[in-house]
Amino acid sequence: DTGVSQDPRHKITKRGQNVTFRCDPISEHNRLYWYRQTLGQGPEFLTYFQNEAQLEKSRLLSDRFSAERPKGSFSTLEIQRTEQGDSAMYLCASSRPFIGTGVSEAFFGQGTRLTVV
Amino acid sequence: QQQVKQSPQSLIVQKGGISIINCAYENTAFDYFPWYQQFPGKGPALLIAIRPDVSEKKEGRFTISFNKSAKQFSLHIMDSQPGDSATYFCAASGGATNKLIFGTGTLLAVQP
Repeated sequence: DTGVSQDPRHKITKRGQNVTFRCDPISEHNRLYWYRQTLGQGPEFLTYFQNEAQLEKSRLLSDRFSAERPKGSFSTLEIQRTEQGDSAMYLCASSRPFIGTGVSEAFFGQGTRLTVV
Repeated sequence: QQQVKQSPQSLIVQKGGISIINCAYENTAFDYFPWYQQFPGKGPALLIAIRPDVSEKKEGRFTISFNKSAKQFSLHIMDSQPGDSATYFCAASGGATNKLIFGTGTLLAVQP
């Protein structure tokens, strides 16, 4: 399978615990995005990496959230001291470099469903 | 200014009918307008996308109509099939990061 891979698919954690999610983008895709989707809503942008550089973070990304993309390959999203409001689907997407003024399609992974109890 | 408004919230269509979903945006810097299809428990998958230099794009049974002056765009699904039953999201993006701003989604049910 050469699509975007996310792990784990499901995570149940107790309030206050830390969790970490992993995203493996499509190879040769240098752009990587994290989104959060709550029930009945569209995905909301969290953060963006171009290669290993984190170039944009949403104000939704509180200081309890941190994302990394070492060496510009896979990425991790960590949530510290989880709260019940963090329960959501966390989606990762990747796209290849833009050519000229073109736009490259973003491919999404299947997401990690987080439940904080 | 970052919002993308989508309607209707839900839609029921008979098999063979036409499904129409509408979106509106405010930010004139947006220059890419994709539609995504999402099945329960899955990530969104791109259906079709349009740039503002054209008013219509068709791929198979799916058509995007784009009205730049009204800042509106819509998805038409012709000959709707039960397998089309899913949630559809419009989105918009622009700028260096190309981050997607999504609408709130339309739950489509196609009845056999």
